[in-house]
Amino acid sequence: DIVMTQTPLSLSVTPGQPASISCKSSQSLLDSYGRTYLYWYLQKPGQSPQLLIYEVSNRFSGVPDRFSGSGSGTDFTLKISRVEAEDVGVYYCMQSMQLPPITFGQGTRLEIK
Amino acid sequence: EVQLVESGGGLVQPGGSLKLSCAASGFTFSGSAIHWVRQASGKGLEWVGRIRDKPNNYATAYAASVRGRFTISRDDSKNTAYLQMNSLNTDDTAVYFCSRWVTDTPTPLDYWGQGTLVTVSS
Repeated sequence: DIVMTQTPLSLSVTPGQPASISCKSSQSLLDSYGRTYLYWYLQKPGQSPQLLIYEVSNRFSGVPDRFSGSGSGTDFTLKISRVEAEDVGVYYCMQSMQLPPITFGQGTRLEIK
Repeated sequence: EVQLVESGGGLVQPGGSLKLSCAASGFTFSGSAIHWVRQASGKGLEWVGRIRDKPNNYATAYAASVRGRFTISRDDSKNTAYLQMNSLNTDDTAVYFCSRWVTDTPTPLDYWGQGTLVTVSS
């Protein structure tokens, strides 16, 4: 199974400041067609997860442009340019390069200072 | 509006069985794979399994932790997917979510249900 490792596991950010989360996979998520199967989700308190980013850097419909994804191969990053109060929750990276199983990172909890 | 609604959760004794349902609306259910993901209290997300659509032969796949005990099925005429859980143990206690992946799109698990709680306890 592909292991997804996120760092940090928690971060506390002042509103308006940037935030960054790293996700590393144990195997490359790049396929032979040039697609990379790395996604980011946010689970707000008491809610179901919601898709933020697909295939490394594409924002899902309705996701604010302060969210951006980057990376390649096995190293990926989610950045929030200016954190807002509504961004609080747990962020997960996920891979579907090797299915089964789909695997998630451990999650990174974002709180507001 | 896309909606996925899970039901069927509850309290079950170790060794028992439970069948969850995932009722879909607001999209073409027959054109989507349905995935089940669970989350133990205070823990992260764990993929359970999925069932693909008819053109993909309703292919199923499962996590190793549930393979041989859990079975995913679907009834496209009812826009509903199911998760049959047998031989339950305390490690299966979690909120179970269903989610969709529209076939041939790059956006997996783009909509989720609200989840249904399964508690395995004597």
